[in-house]
Amino acid sequence: DQQVKQNSPSLSVQEGRISILNCDYTNSMFDYFLWYKKYPAEGPTFLISISSIKDKNEDGRFTVFLNKSAKHLSLHIVPSQPGDSAVYFCAASANSGGSNYKLTFGKGTLLTVNP
Amino acid sequence: DAGITQSPRHKVTETGTPVTLRCHQTENHRYMYWYRQDPGHGLRLIHYSYGVKDTDKGEVSDGYSVSRSKTEDFLLTLESATSSQTSVYFCAVRAGGDTQYFGPGTRLTVL
Repeated sequence: DQQVKQNSPSLSVQEGRISILNCDYTNSMFDYFLWYKKYPAEGPTFLISISSIKDKNEDGRFTVFLNKSAKHLSLHIVPSQPGDSAVYFCAASANSGGSNYKLTFGKGTLLTVNP
Repeated sequence: DAGITQSPRHKVTETGTPVTLRCHQTENHRYMYWYRQDPGHGLRLIHYSYGVKDTDKGEVSDGYSVSRSKTEDFLLTLESATSSQTSVYFCAVRAGGDTQYFGPGTRLTVL
């Protein structure tokens, strides 16, 4: 049973526009959420995170929104740049239950930003 | 990059042979993790360690074992490699809060 779902395998946007990547989760115990970016032949790199006590976190061009009632989070990239083209993974953890900080990942969304 | 290196970076082996992948970190992190990445599956946890000699299974641990005899090294062993273990393997460390930082990966091909 997939606990973290990224239902869009791919997304294509124009440079300068907004990119919105979505993620849904089913486990109510998740209390921390992260986004990672991955380029080909490299390891995933941490992008931004949000605790369940917040509904928004912003870092430069990247903003993550959390809707706990809907068990949904989204990553907004504004403005999108060609260098943002990568696979984006959503991840979640449930450490209030002592899970050794394990992360559960979605399958990823390939973002392509066209010049 | 949290001081993580993985070796080898690429390996081709034959079915039935043992394979050991190494993850090395230089920043004394307590928690370390092994993942595999496959198309259509994202990243899946194989095993993790919460201290020297303290390890536990993840989501896809069958066919894999791990060892951690010192803080800086976390080894992943495939006792008898199978073609289904062809994958890209990533090591990660917990470096504060719930955030993990990943190594560059090892691409393993089992023929």
